[in-house]
Amino acid sequence: DAGVIQSPRHEVTEMGQEVTLRCKPISGHDYLFWYRQTMMRGLELLIYFNNNVPIDDSGMPEDRFSAKMPNASFSTLKIQPSEPRDSAVYFCASSFWSQPQHFGDGTRLSIL
Amino acid sequence: ILNVEQSPQSLHVQEGDSTNFTCSFPSSNFYALHWYRWETAKSPEALFVMTLNGDEKKKGRISATLNTKEGYSYLYIKGSQPEDSATYLCAFAGGTSYGKLTFGQGTILTVHP
Repeated sequence: DAGVIQSPRHEVTEMGQEVTLRCKPISGHDYLFWYRQTMMRGLELLIYFNNNVPIDDSGMPEDRFSAKMPNASFSTLKIQPSEPRDSAVYFCASSFWSQPQHFGDGTRLSIL
Repeated sequence: ILNVEQSPQSLHVQEGDSTNFTCSFPSSNFYALHWYRWETAKSPEALFVMTLNGDEKKKGRISATLNTKEGYSYLYIKGSQPEDSATYLCAFAGGTSYGKLTFGQGTILTVHP
């Protein structure tokens, strides 16, 4: 099992650019989560999906953030336009029901 | 809003010391309590999932207990080693959504050789 796969591992881009983060969950998992890690707020949940359907997006900071899960094996988190305060590590995780969540290696995002 | 609190925020111990820290969570609508270990520059890794009041789980030198009636869990590390240095996160599953976890802020453990 390859685990949860995130890409890219690192992204450096200029303010105003569109950023797309990608995630491939573990096959058979029915939940997918997007988290953001910052020094100030720790690990915060942005949005999660159950069976490809967004269930709770109350953690998404603002309209500049959007997430999709077109099928069971792929999800994207998009920021448009990006701002310096979006700089953080973004984690994707997947699980089956309320079993332990498996985290990807994260995407370290820097917005200049 | 579900409140999951961990204490202490950080802990420094000497190699060989035993240590423990606490996670408190809502005692109503409980489904499961998770513990994760998060090393610097890596991603969180699951240690335990506990669901029953009085549950006790063990993995090597690390063990955890659960009290769902009063809403707390303890994580114990016996004979700490420098490689145990990490942030330990607990996470609560319950409320209105059993699949979603509410994480505590974590306890940062540093074990000095």
